[in-house]
Amino acid sequence: KNEVEQSPQNLTAQEGEFITINCSYSVGISALHWLQQHPGGGIVSLFMLSSGKKKHGRLIATINIQEKHSSLHITASHPRDSAVYICAAVQGGADGLTFGKGTHLIIQP
Amino acid sequence: DTAVSQTPKYLVTQMGNDKSIKCEQNLGHDTMYWYKQDSKKFLKIMFSYNNKELIINETVPNRFSPKSPDKAHLNLHINSLELGDSAVYFCASSQDALLNEQFFGPGTRLTVL
Repeated sequence: KNEVEQSPQNLTAQEGEFITINCSYSVGISALHWLQQHPGGGIVSLFMLSSGKKKHGRLIATINIQEKHSSLHITASHPRDSAVYICAAVQGGADGLTFGKGTHLIIQP
Repeated sequence: DTAVSQTPKYLVTQMGNDKSIKCEQNLGHDTMYWYKQDSKKFLKIMFSYNNKELIINETVPNRFSPKSPDKAHLNLHINSLELGDSAVYFCASSQDALLNEQFFGPGTRLTVL
């Protein structure tokens, strides 16, 4: 079974700071999802990537398949970015999806 | 228009009861999922259906039975509810299997007393 580790577990930063959240996994995967869970509980998919890098607005996600590692970056962070960020590794087929435990991010004004 | 909807949003019930949570998606997606988020906020996949066929069935008790009457609906029926079933249950859908972006429902908070 895939072990998915996220770091840090908790992160508090000031508005405007560059944020990096890391995700590593133990077994080769087909793809990796990054999700955002708002304080109200709703979950939004941010990225699904299987190689390289993707960018959407101030969010950037990268993945290194050989090193079994992915990062989520937030540039010019804002208090509205405060949320829990969760990575999930896709093993494919019936093996399903393994989630990290999430990174709780707080951006202070 | 809500893309993925779940009902009810909150469900409070006694131990031993049987309950159902309904999920519907209007995105035309082929795949639907049920996830459980425990009290520590840890998410775990429970089931996945593709075109009404079960493709992922993680280790969940037999008391949980998903039912997909058509590809737009995936309901979750739970028999003989236990205290440990208290959690938030999320439904989601994607165009194909796990290699596509997923769209989540708002969640159903189940409390078993």
